[in-house]
Amino acid sequence: DTAVSQTPKYLVTQMGNDKSIKCEQNLGHDTMYWYKQDSKKFLKIMFSYNNKELIINETVPNRFSPKSPDKAHLNLHINSLELGDSAVYFCASSPPTELWGETQYFGPGTRLLVL
Amino acid sequence: LAKTTQPISMDSYEGQEVNITCSHNNIATNDYITWYQQFPSQGPRFIIQGYKTKVTNEVASLFIPADRKSSTLSLPRVSLSDTAVYYCLVVGAGSYQLTFGKGTKLSVIP
Repeated sequence: DTAVSQTPKYLVTQMGNDKSIKCEQNLGHDTMYWYKQDSKKFLKIMFSYNNKELIINETVPNRFSPKSPDKAHLNLHINSLELGDSAVYFCASSPPTELWGETQYFGPGTRLLVL
Repeated sequence: LAKTTQPISMDSYEGQEVNITCSHNNIATNDYITWYQQFPSQGPRFIIQGYKTKVTNEVASLFIPADRKSSTLSLPRVSLSDTAVYYCLVVGAGSYQLTFGKGTKLSVIP
């Protein structure tokens, strides 16, 4: 009965590969997010999806593409992986309110290591 | 886009009250302030949110002065389990702007 889940938990891959990280929330939320947390622990938002529409895209490389098959899922696809993509990626969701970005519920994170 | 500044780290003894201040000098009229807590190897967890004056819940209090250029998260009587990184987040209501601070690593000492 996990609220926000991510798979896989760990991902080790070679440079140049393409990989996907899946996120699912069972909270009935309308908005979902992807964050990147680097080795210095800086937490930066990458994408936000509301009712399957991309709201923001914080100047991330176009090798990263979010895909939302339905309101409960927001997957992150990464093409041509680079060493600098190594980080922890967090998925989050928030309830439908007038305040976008309010009270976000985070997943456990996916630790990506690019060799 | 309101940027935030927090102390990098703080130490406190168990049982003491801890106050962590976040500066957000460029906060806009419609922005509101949220604080999150993050334990190692976990995702951030919502603590408290406010727009002005004081907000209190079962976990913490949030003090926001009239000019709203800063906010202070107050944790009463901390315990070892409060050792974590605390993030200040300014969210632009209606503008889809969202900025996390760099976080304050709080270490609670026995």
